[in-house]
Amino acid sequence: GENVEQHPSTLSVQEGDSAVIKCTYSDSASNYFPWYKQELGKGPQLIIDIRSNVGEKKDQRIAVTLNKTAKHFSLHITETQPEDSAVYFCAEGSGGYQKVTFGTGTKLQVIP
Amino acid sequence: EPEVTQTPSHQVTQMGQEVILRCVPISNHLYFYWYRQILGQKVEFLVSFYNNEISEKSEIFDDQFSVERPDGSNFTLKIRSTKLEDSAMYFCASRRQGINSPLHFGNGTRLTVT
Repeated sequence: GENVEQHPSTLSVQEGDSAVIKCTYSDSASNYFPWYKQELGKGPQLIIDIRSNVGEKKDQRIAVTLNKTAKHFSLHITETQPEDSAVYFCAEGSGGYQKVTFGTGTKLQVIP
Repeated sequence: EPEVTQTPSHQVTQMGQEVILRCVPISNHLYFYWYRQILGQKVEFLVSFYNNEISEKSEIFDDQFSVERPDGSNFTLKIRSTKLEDSAMYFCASRRQGINSPLHFGNGTRLTVT
């Protein structure tokens, strides 16, 4: 069975600072690790994803790192802005039908 | 950019009534999903659907739930006899063919059972 733990549950940072969110998973077969941003009243929106053959991926201010041996992966947001305030979910996926299992979410607040 | 659309945005129903939640996935996508999110909690998988049949379902997806793709564009979730604990946001998602292609989510239907 899949189990994804996510920390912290809430995170407040000053505008311009970095934010780091960490997740661990239990299924050795997991090979796909997306991160979703959920704004109030909206569905989860993919912001970045990483496959199991890659250790790190970066897209402008967002980066994700993956440690398959330790079964954990992290989201890094640099130079945070107020519009980064949202709930962030990590997730993991495996198998042909590729359902993803979500973490418990992190509510990020960026203080202007 | 193509989107997954869901209707209605909010559905209020009485306990014991049947509800149908509707979704229009992205047109060239082949895999379809329903997830739910109870207020303030994580997003939980309900069911995946491919090639006109259920490919996987969770423990939540019991006999009260069913899914259908009645035509080439819609994907529906039916709850036969709603319970208070069915109150949640229900998200539809779809993805195209290809390993590890990402899921695209709609903005959800808020179901309130009274």
